[in-house]
Amino acid sequence: GENVEQHPSTLSVQEGDSAVIKCTYSDSASNYFPWYKQELGKRPQLIIDIRSNVGEKKDQRIAVTLNKTAKHFSLHITETQPEDSAVYFCAASNNFNKFYFGSGTKLNVKP
Amino acid sequence: DGGITQSPKYLFRKEGQNVTLSCEQNLNHDAMYWYRQDPGQGLRLIYYSQIVNDFQKGDIAEGYSVSREKKESFPLTVTSAQKNPTAFYLCASSIETGSYEQYFGPGTRLTVT
Repeated sequence: GENVEQHPSTLSVQEGDSAVIKCTYSDSASNYFPWYKQELGKRPQLIIDIRSNVGEKKDQRIAVTLNKTAKHFSLHITETQPEDSAVYFCAASNNFNKFYFGSGTKLNVKP
Repeated sequence: DGGITQSPKYLFRKEGQNVTLSCEQNLNHDAMYWYRQDPGQGLRLIYYSQIVNDFQKGDIAEGYSVSREKKESFPLTVTSAQKNPTAFYLCASSIETGSYEQYFGPGTRLTVT
């Protein structure tokens, strides 16, 4: 089956700096890569996703890049704010039914 | 936050007892999922269902059972055969076509002693 690895497990940045979280996947058939944000005590929520026919996608301060050849994708957050502090999960799917999640990255944005 | 609910929020059971976690959605979603979340391990898929009266095992189905008798409901039973049942359980649902976003419930924290 698919194996998704996520790094780093924790990330601390100063407010206003950029944050980058990286994921690798093993199944070349995976074609959908969502990112979820889970604030403390709350449920995970989708923040951005990308499909395999696209190399990059942006939504305001967040962006995701995908390198199919290398089988890795990354989440980029620019101009970080304290409210960006949360746990972020990447995921991969090859049939939109089963999703394989990374182990999560705890992002701490220091004011 | 509405649309998919889980109850109860906290659940305590003695070892050897079966326990059923509730998951209900009013989003008219076809697919429903159960995940287990442990510290440092992300979300692991237990079972998923794409249609009423049908479900498939995920990666860690041993010791768990589910049913999907209604589109809105997907209860999870943690049986006494599950060796390490203490965890945070998340239910999710999604539309089968178009958007593949998974909508998560608030979760149930199960503690077995």
